[in-house]
Amino acid sequence: QKEVEQNSGPLSVPEGAIASLNCTYSDRVSQSFFWYRQYSGKSPELIMSIYSNGDKEDGRFTAQLNKASQYVSLLIRDSQPSDSATYLCAGWGLGSQGNLIFGKGTKLSVKP
Amino acid sequence: DGGITQSPKYLFRKEGQNVTLSCEQNLNHDAMYWYRQDPGQGLRLIYYSQIVNDFQKGDIAEGYSVSREKKESFPLTVTSAQKNPTAFYLCASSIGQKATRDTQYFGPGTRLTVL
Repeated sequence: QKEVEQNSGPLSVPEGAIASLNCTYSDRVSQSFFWYRQYSGKSPELIMSIYSNGDKEDGRFTAQLNKASQYVSLLIRDSQPSDSATYLCAGWGLGSQGNLIFGKGTKLSVKP
Repeated sequence: DGGITQSPKYLFRKEGQNVTLSCEQNLNHDAMYWYRQDPGQGLRLIYYSQIVNDFQKGDIAEGYSVSREKKESFPLTVTSAQKNPTAFYLCASSIGQKATRDTQYFGPGTRLTVL
């Protein structure tokens, strides 16, 4: 299993719908996770971080962490065309280096 | 304004040339990182530095070099030994790498193209 894995998409949802982005991780990744949004040609920007089992809400975004099943998800409510971007999931690697490990990202397209 | 700046935004390199990408931060962060991103790929770590005058190789350090003489600055040199340097280069920083909850923040990136 790759350390942090995401479905590359594209995921297409209509405007106003809920977009659900998922990420799974291996035992080599710690349980501190980050979701970044990256617009085409731009750098990643942090949307949310989640460290504890359960849900964390921030505006239209909800991050969910399930440690038993080793997955983390991001829900975007009332999706807008401006949410169209690639979403990167990242977690800290375990071990001496302990660097942030990124998934390849899921491309989201919100259709008006 | 606190943040991370990278320059130049676009860089063109001829075969056999070394080029240096600049990264500066005024966030008073101890840790700094360099990533490379290729189309359809995730971010791959090139080098990172946790403190001044110290740095470690990441997953793809071959053909690259760095220095960390000041806390604010972490320049990356792409040497002629890097066979396929065309990519989007991202610099990031974080408070310090000791805690696994450390959040990384990214600069705007430099797009390097080999002619």
